[in-house]
Amino acid sequence: QSVLTQPPSASGTPGQRVTISCSGSSSNIGSNTVNWYQQLPGTAPKLLIYSNNQRPSGVPDRFSGSKSGTSASLAISGLQSEDEADYYCAAWDDSLNSWVFGGGTKLTVL
Amino acid sequence: QVQLVQSGAEVKKPGASVKVSCKASGYTFTSYDINWVRQATGQGLEWMGWMNPNSGNTGYAQKFQGRVTMTRNTSISTAYMELSSLRSEDTAVYYCARGRGVYGDFDYWGQGTLVTVSS
Repeated sequence: QSVLTQPPSASGTPGQRVTISCSGSSSNIGSNTVNWYQQLPGTAPKLLIYSNNQRPSGVPDRFSGSKSGTSASLAISGLQSEDEADYYCAAWDDSLNSWVFGGGTKLTVL
Repeated sequence: QVQLVQSGAEVKKPGASVKVSCKASGYTFTSYDINWVRQATGQGLEWMGWMNPNSGNTGYAQKFQGRVTMTRNTSISTAYMELSSLRSEDTAVYYCARGRGVYGDFDYWGQGTLVTVSS
């Protein structure tokens, strides 16, 4: 079981807006920033969002992140077929002294 | 451009050890941590530990304490992750990732190394 909880799957049609949630606790999301990674099929993960809501250079502004209390979410607007991937949230856990990940959400573009 | 290039796939027997390398280029190797993350087939990401290439300091996830060793050779900008007492559950793709301490994220990843543990 992952320390951070994500829905195993999400879906949407092209152009739609989808959100993916990530639930944690006071020792991780509640006290540290959240990062999001995108993993396209057969490839290494890629940093998508850092420090809760910051986009690295080159990441489209269709992707946005937010955090409130012990939960975070990733929103993708104007959904495109190339967004079909697995998405993972991550945060440092002060109790475990470890980075922890969510179990991942498989996004399907219908 | 920043690149992390990992060594090739390995097949090991249970009880053996494996050492995976991660060669960095395009930046100053000693200025960023190197983290190791693994992913079993069809499963999620699991953080194993970090290493500061400048000091050699390390931090390991409790699950791997005593079985993992992270080292580096600064002269060739290469980090290593050695996992011992391998068991079938260690079969996974192992990734190295550059850690940005200030932001606490992993901004560049290696291509991954498949380690298969089988008798």
